[in-house]
Formats: sequence, structure tokens, C-alpha cells
Amino acid sequence: AQTVTQSQPEMSVQEAETVTLSCTYDTSESDYYLFWYKQPPSRQMILVIRQEAYKQQNATENRFSVNFQKAAKSFSLKISDSQLGDAAMYFCAYMMNTGNQFYFGTGTSLTVIP
Amino acid sequence: DSGVTQTPKHLITATGQRVTLRCSPRSGDLSVYWYQQSLDQGLQFLIQYYNGEERAKGNILERFSAQQFPDLHSELNLSSLELGDSALYFCASSVNSGGAFETQYFGPGTRLLVL
Repeated sequence: AQTVTQSQPEMSVQEAETVTLSCTYDTSESDYYLFWYKQPPSRQMILVIRQEAYKQQNATENRFSVNFQKAAKSFSLKISDSQLGDAAMYFCAYMMNTGNQFYFGTGTSLTVIP
Repeated sequence: DSGVTQTPKHLITATGQRVTLRCSPRSGDLSVYWYQQSLDQGLQFLIQYYNGEERAKGNILERFSAQQFPDLHSELNLSSLELGDSALYFCASSVNSGGAFETQYFGPGTRLLVL
């Protein structure tokens, strides 16, 4: 069974600094996708970044980048130049290449300190 | 605003009751997904409908059912409600039948409180 683990329930970062959120997953599949979603206080789920497992290059979206270590089954999110608007719950998620079902972690609550 | 709408925003009901949650997907999207987010938990996938047909099923209880109508809106019916059903229920939509390459757009959720 696929499981996604986020071991940091809460994190904080100073504005303009860099923070890394951790995620590990367990799967026997070789082809899959990994995601980071952001859930601000509005509760809307917003896609931050997506990584295809077959791609060795780490995905990047502006200030957001990932460190994907396939052998270690690790998928961390790095937020550079943190902004107050980055404060939110961040969820790591997994989906099989042939599937439609997300498997979400329990989330990391990020606080940005002015 | 993702373009996905959900009604009602909040719902308070009693144990044993039945409720219906409604979701309207983005214009043109054929798939609708339902998720449950309990307190301090990640989202749990419940079910997906694609163009009116059930496409994928997750950990959906037998007391829960869903359908997608010809106009592509979807309803999630929760019956014999228990205290543990209190949660945030999200709907998402995507353009086609789904898959990891297809972005799911989430609605704002319906918060259900069972007393």
C-alpha cells in the first residue's frame, strides 16, 4: 500500500529565509508522480509543484523547488525567500502513473515570521 | 478561485441524519472527485466520477454514496451520520478521466459538523 509521511507537523521560518519541508513515501511502483499542495487558511487546496518519478531533474516553480531522491523515497520541498503569503498547511501527495487516486500525507503547518 | 463551487459551505446536523453535499465542476471538466479531510489529517480520496460514470473508488463508507448528473454536477450523500463523519469535504474537478498528469482543481470545501 502507498503511504506518505510528513514527520514535521509544524515548521517556522523568518521572512526572506529558506525553509525545507520533508516528505517520505512508500511504494512498490516504479512510475508515479509526487505533488506538494498548499492549503492556506481559506482551506482551498492549491497545487504548488509536481514531480514525475521518471525524471531525474528536480522540479522548480519560481521560489519553490523539490529535492527528489527516488532511491531513498524522499521528496522535500524548499521554499526560498519566504513570504508572509507562504504561511499555510503544506501537503505532500503521491499518485500512481496509472491511477487517479491521491495519497496525502498529514501535512506540515508553516508559519512565516515577519 | 478555482472555478469549482461547493454548497453549502457549512452544515450542522445530528447523528443519524442524512445530508447531501453538492459540487459544480469547472466549466468543461468531465471528472469530479470527492475527498474527506478529518481534523489534523490529510485528504482521503473517496470517489471519482467521469462523465456520469463511477471511475475510481477509495475508502468510501457504505453509508456514503455519490453520483454525477448529466449537467456534470455531483452530489455526495452521507447517511446515518456519526460523530466521526465531522470533517471538511472537498470536491475537485479535472478536464478528462484523470491521472497524475491532469491537474485537479479543488473547491473551497463543505465543513460538516455532526452533533
